Amino acid sequence: AQSVTQLGSHVSVSEGALVLLRCNYSSSVPPYLFWYVQYPNQGLQLLLKYTSAATLVKGINGFEAEFKKSETSFHLTKPSAHMSDAAEYFCAVGKAAGNKLTFGGGTRVLVKP
Amino acid sequence: SAVISQKPSRDICQRGTSLTIQCQVDSQVTMMFWYRQQPGQSLTLIATANQGSEATYESGFVIDKFPISRPNLTFSTLTVSNMSPEDSSIYLCSVDVSANTGELFFGEGSRLTVL
Repeated sequence: AQSVTQLGSHVSVSEGALVLLRCNYSSSVPPYLFWYVQYPNQGLQLLLKYTSAATLVKGINGFEAEFKKSETSFHLTKPSAHMSDAAEYFCAVGKAAGNKLTFGGGTRVLVKP
Repeated sequence: SAVISQKPSRDICQRGTSLTIQCQVDSQVTMMFWYRQQPGQSLTLIATANQGSEATYESGFVIDKFPISRPNLTFSTLTVSNMSPEDSSIYLCSVDVSANTGELFFGEGSRLTVL
């Protein structure tokens, strides 16, 4: 069975500061890993995905994530937070294309001016 | 990518009634997934809907409570039956349109409030 753990249900950062959201997964097979963002009253939007091509994955809006197999982690970072980054972020794991995704508990990001 | 339309976008329902949520995709897809997001919570998979076969339900979800139809490759419905306040959630339809990346595209969701 797959599972995803996101450390910290809430993260508060100052505008311009580093954003770091932590995600650890467990999977019995090489995983497909994703980060999604959910803005208030909206659906989920894909930020980035890891599918075994490169361990450092760049996504939209300046976000990137690094896959570390030895640590079973896929942490999300952005060097400089913007007010528009305030949202909820979900890490998700899948086993294969066409398969369901299992989501972490989510991390709500607050950006302070 | 895919454009996914869900109806209704939101509704207020009375206890004991049922509501059907529609999901329309702008391209043919094999798998459609229905998720629930309870207030302040993450997403939980209800079931996987494959055209031409019965939906596959996750542990804790049953067909009598959440019947699903999948009449063709672009459309699905989820019914929430005999609703109670605990069913107040956002219900999200999602699809996998990529051949090998596994990413899911999501609709905007249907926000249900049960009084």
